[in-house]
Amino acid sequence: DQQVKQNSPSLSVQEGRISILNCDYTNSMFDYFLWYKKYPAEGPTFLISISSIKDKNEDGRFTVFLNKSAKHLSLHIVPSQPGDSAVYFCAASARAGNNRKLIWGLGTSLAVNP
Amino acid sequence: KAGVTQTPRYLIKTRGQQVTLSCSPISGHRSVSWYQQTPGQGLQFLFEYFSETQRNKGNFPGRFSGRQFSNSRSEMNVSTLELGDSALYLCASSSGTGSMGPLHFGNGTRLTVT
Repeated sequence: DQQVKQNSPSLSVQEGRISILNCDYTNSMFDYFLWYKKYPAEGPTFLISISSIKDKNEDGRFTVFLNKSAKHLSLHIVPSQPGDSAVYFCAASARAGNNRKLIWGLGTSLAVNP
Repeated sequence: KAGVTQTPRYLIKTRGQQVTLSCSPISGHRSVSWYQQTPGQGLQFLFEYFSETQRNKGNFPGRFSGRQFSNSRSEMNVSTLELGDSALYLCASSSGTGSMGPLHFGNGTRLTVT
């Protein structure tokens, strides 16, 4: 059962336009969400996060929106640049006793075309 | 600060052999997690170590094992290799097992089983 779903395996956007990557989750216990970016042959790199007490977090060109009632979050990249071409992973975190469990989506491959 | 270092970067083994992968976390980080990444399966959690103790474990067979040393360095071992074990193995470190802080990934070890 996929608790974190990224329903679009791939996305193609023109340089300068907005990229919107979506992520849905099923577990209402998730209270912290993260986005990672991954280039080929490299490990994922942390991009931006959001706590469940917020509905928006912004960092430069990257903004994450959280809609708790819909169990949906999205990552907006404005403006998109060719260097943003990568696989983007959504991850959701929930407390499990003294630990935290991190559940990952399968990723969305973003291609930004010049 | 040096990042997470994984060795070796590439490895080719034959079925039935065993393999040991190494991970050096960021200085000061005490939590080390291991992930398997295969096409179409995203990031699959293997296990997490904190202060030399396994804190979390994913749904992998007992052929996959790990350990952490007193300096927080970690090793992962896979015995009796199968073709399906071919994957990118990623190590990530963070400051604490219960922390919401992001994971910092190494560039992975690409294992090919023939």
